Amino acid sequence: DVKVTQSSRYLVKRTGEKVFLECVQDMDHENMFWYRQDPGLGLRLIYFSYDVKMKEKGDIPEGYSVSREKKERFSLILESASTNQTSMYLCASSGGQGWGYGYTFGSGTRLTVV
Amino acid sequence: GIQVEQSPPDLILQEGANSTLRCNFSDSVNNLQWFHQNPWGQLINLFYIPSGTKQNGRLSATTVATERYSLLYISSSQTTDSGVYFCAVDQIHQGAQKLVFGQGTRLTINP
Repeated sequence: DVKVTQSSRYLVKRTGEKVFLECVQDMDHENMFWYRQDPGLGLRLIYFSYDVKMKEKGDIPEGYSVSREKKERFSLILESASTNQTSMYLCASSGGQGWGYGYTFGSGTRLTVV
Repeated sequence: GIQVEQSPPDLILQEGANSTLRCNFSDSVNNLQWFHQNPWGQLINLFYIPSGTKQNGRLSATTVATERYSLLYISSSQTTDSGVYFCAVDQIHQGAQKLVFGQGTRLTINP
């Protein structure tokens, strides 16, 4: 089975801190994604990447950046954390280009910014 | 962009009951998945079902792509089935595929 691992289940950070959320997948998938989930707003796409060193903005990229230096690792960076970035963050990966590939999600990181 | 609507938003049932969750989407899709989010937040992939019918134990799903809907059936519900069920479809965005989620159906199974 594809495994997507997020480095932390729970994080508490202070306003203004730089925050790194790490995601690693072990199935050589080309595509990786970062979502955030908030009550009443569902899952929203922040950034995605379909190849090493490639990145594309999703629906809500403001306040975030990403890094993909290796195929298996996709990092989400909060340059200066703010309280409105308190959320559940979910990483996903999918294999191949084009259609026909399912998505697998990590277990999520619940981030609280105080 | 594509719209994904799920119904009902909330469903409360007794253990042993059967349930049907619906997902409507506004445009043709090449990929549709059903997920279960457990109380700890983990999204578990239930079905990858762009068309046709699949079954896995007490769960089954049917997608009628031409009519733009999918159904998830849960039979003989158990308390461990509680959680939020999401339908998600693929959308091309800047030449790459991304997943668009519905708002989910919160299922509560009471003992």
